[in-house]
Amino acid sequence: KNQVEQSPQSLIILEGKNCTLQCNYTVSPFSNLRWYKQDTGRGPVSLTIMTFSENTKSNRRYTATLDADTKQSSLHITASQLSDSASYICVVSEAYGGSQGNLIFGKGTKLSVKP
Amino acid sequence: GAGVSQSPSNKVTEKGKDVELRCDPISGHTALYWYRQSLGQGLEFLIYFQGNSAPDKSGLPSDRFSAERTGGSVSTLTIQRTQQEDSAVYLCASSWGHRSSYEQYFGPGTRLTVT
Repeated sequence: KNQVEQSPQSLIILEGKNCTLQCNYTVSPFSNLRWYKQDTGRGPVSLTIMTFSENTKSNRRYTATLDADTKQSSLHITASQLSDSASYICVVSEAYGGSQGNLIFGKGTKLSVKP
Repeated sequence: GAGVSQSPSNKVTEKGKDVELRCDPISGHTALYWYRQSLGQGLEFLIYFQGNSAPDKSGLPSDRFSAERTGGSVSTLTIQRTQQEDSAVYLCASSWGHRSSYEQYFGPGTRLTVT
């Protein structure tokens, strides 16, 4: 069964600190992996998308890594800001699937950045 | 330009009543998706529309749920005889195409509470 598991479930850090969120998946065949940020009361917004051949991709203070061999991804947030407080959702796409838009969603990691 | 909009933002209804949720996708997007997000759970796919093709209804949890998309644009998700377990945030997303390589843009969601 295709699954996406995220850890930790929740995380509290102090403003200015770094943190790393984890995503493990069993989706096969693999197409791509996205990290979304979902602010409270808002819809998810895409941060990065990574394909099989990409190991790392950065978007401002967000750096995503992908190890397609071990089927693991991480999202590293540098110098956290209060506005980083949100849920971060890992989404993995199947290749050539026919339903669900081929997307399998993780349950998310809820990050709280405290002053 | 305008993003995906949804209405109402909040809906409280009594058990057994019917509700209609509306989604206005980004103009020109041919694919439209409905998801359900329950507290502490990942996004659950419900249905998607792609152009003039028959919709993929494989994610609808019961025959009380239905959706239509008129004129290839606005979509309405209808839940008949609502139950308390239907309480969740219903998210709509649209994209240029169906395949997983196209980014989905999400609306802010409709929070449905069934009392």
